[in-house]
Amino acid sequence: DAGVTQSPTHLIKTRGQQVTLRCSPKSGHDTVSWYQQALGQGPQFIFQYYEEEERQRGNFPDRFSGHQFPNYSSELNVNALLLGDSALYLCASSLGAGAYEQYFGPGTRLTVT
Amino acid sequence: DQQVKQNSPSLSVQEGRISILNCDYTNSMFDYFLWYKKYPAEGPTFLISISSIKDKNEDGRFTVFLNKSAKHLSLHIVPSQPGDSAVYFCAARARYGGATNKLIFGTGTLLAVQP
Repeated sequence: DAGVTQSPTHLIKTRGQQVTLRCSPKSGHDTVSWYQQALGQGPQFIFQYYEEEERQRGNFPDRFSGHQFPNYSSELNVNALLLGDSALYLCASSLGAGAYEQYFGPGTRLTVT
Repeated sequence: DQQVKQNSPSLSVQEGRISILNCDYTNSMFDYFLWYKKYPAEGPTFLISISSIKDKNEDGRFTVFLNKSAKHLSLHIVPSQPGDSAVYFCAARARYGGATNKLIFGTGTLLAVQP
């Protein structure tokens, strides 16, 4: 049973650049949520995708955008990177947008220099 | 606005003893609470959850207690094992109109179980 997978594992970018992170949900799951975890903090909700639409958004600027594909996989895009965007980006999947149990992938560690 | 708080950054217990991790929340509209465990370089792993209409849920060595009047929940691990050493996050589900929802996390408690 394939769990949530994310790629890449690590990424180093320069300020002002753009980045795309990828996530494949757990087998059978159709909903993907993205979270940002800064050092020493808990994960913070960025947005949720269900039926290829953004359903709910956290307190993040428009520089953060996403997409969900027909196979339920998802991408997170961040434009005009800032130093403060350095964090662990976590993808979580669930069965249905209303499911409370979310299963997390290993994350992508983004470093902005 | 920290809606979910874990006031103890770290906790150290002896192997075989009980570990008690605490969490406080401010939003009375949360309807589910979850505990996740996180090892370094891994994503959070779901441990146990509790509905807001219950006051206790048990799964093996893990028990979660919910005190709604105090807006407080706790995770008990009995007996504690060295493999339980990890960061534990408390999370609450905030439900919005329709079917969408998000999890709001505390800042985590680092549990160290000493052999």
